[in-house]
Amino acid sequence: EAGVTQFPSHSVIEKGQTVTLRCDPISGHDNLYWYRRVMGKEIKFLLHFVKESKQDESGMPNNRFLAERTGGTYSTLKVQPAELEDSGVYFCASSQGRTGGWNTEAFFGQGTRLTVV
Amino acid sequence: RKEVEQDPGPFNVPEGATVAFNCTYSNSASQSFFWYRQDCRKEPKLLMSVYSSGNEDGRFTAQLNRASQYISLLIRDSKLSDSATYLCVAESNFGNEKLTFGTGTRLTIIP
Repeated sequence: EAGVTQFPSHSVIEKGQTVTLRCDPISGHDNLYWYRRVMGKEIKFLLHFVKESKQDESGMPNNRFLAERTGGTYSTLKVQPAELEDSGVYFCASSQGRTGGWNTEAFFGQGTRLTVV
Repeated sequence: RKEVEQDPGPFNVPEGATVAFNCTYSNSASQSFFWYRQDCRKEPKLLMSVYSSGNEDGRFTAQLNRASQYISLLIRDSKLSDSATYLCVAESNFGNEKLTFGTGTRLTIIP
């Protein structure tokens, strides 16, 4: 079974440009998350989808970031316009819905390394 | 103050030794805790969940102390393949599955 896949693996863009990151979760996983790690810092939560609905977007840095998950399958994260401080590794993760009140494991993709110059 | 605090290391440990990592968390509402492992330029992968009763998986033992808000990971008989960054993780919002990460502790096992 395929894991969480992210595209592209690397992206180098100039300040002011737009970049769109894509995440394909594990098939059947309703929960999809975006996280980000900037240089020297911890991995931080950005937002959480349950199917196509945004459950929690409290971690989104500002309105230059837009995440979508049309149809509840893959998700995109668009940064427009990109700034230097947006550089980092963007991870996507997915998990099955909660059953019986127990948490289920979040599986991470390999990440997109974004460099804004 | 970070919500999850870890000693960043690095820890350089000879093969076969026992190594222990500690982690503290500040959000008393945190419900679930995990250790993730991350290899260089790879994604984090779940190593084990952490329970108050303590849990063991082969050479790995994890422990949670809710009163002290303290989490530990013990690796016995360390192998070269254990070299990685170990991330202490708390689930901050019960039912939401949002994960809060520590900065990670880097471990290198020396032959």
